[in-house]
Amino acid sequence: QQQVKQSPQSLIVQKGGISIINCAYENTAFDYFPWYQQFPGKGPALLIAIRPDVSEKKEGRFTISFNKSAKQFSLHIMDSQPGDSATYFCAARVRNRDDKIIFGKGTRLHILP
Amino acid sequence: DTEVTQTPKHLVMGMTNKKSLKCEQHMGHRAMYWYKQKAKKPPELMFVYSYEKLSINESVPSRFSPECPNSSLLNLHLHALQPEDSALYLCASSQAGELAYEQYFGPGTRLTVT
Repeated sequence: QQQVKQSPQSLIVQKGGISIINCAYENTAFDYFPWYQQFPGKGPALLIAIRPDVSEKKEGRFTISFNKSAKQFSLHIMDSQPGDSATYFCAARVRNRDDKIIFGKGTRLHILP
Repeated sequence: DTEVTQTPKHLVMGMTNKKSLKCEQHMGHRAMYWYKQKAKKPPELMFVYSYEKLSINESVPSRFSPECPNSSLLNLHLHALQPEDSALYLCASSQAGELAYEQYFGPGTRLTVT
């Protein structure tokens, strides 16, 4: 089934803490796993993406961890800042359908100052 | 320039009106997308154009009609909409092919159908 399950639905983290958002998928029809960040009143923006043959990718304070055998991947935000407060969507690109990505339901992250 | 622009920002229309949403990008992208997003929900794919040809129609009702006049422009024509069509309509663009997962989104048009 072409779904990406995302948790938690909402998350509150203290400033300086680590924010962790988890996603899982069931079949192997996906070949790229991007994460998008959306601020209120804005369109989503690509944050970071990973291929399933890579176990970890880091860009600044943002890290994706990928567990291919468990069909799970997660976003870690280190040293979380109030400016990171946004909705985060994990997504998956359908193999052989270059231009179609499936979004998770989103996580509303709030960083306490 | 990594910007996708959308006009108008807000639109209120009656169920008998005809209106159009416009989207423009100048990144040389050859794939363009329309998404619908309801509050607290993820974007929902509606249409994809690849090299100015419609490649995906996610079973969208015919009251929504997309158009891609050239590689930089994307329109969404609206006619006889229902109140449940009220949502944020997002346009996005990307390179076609391998890097199509790197989509650049516009700020959206907030549509209210009365």
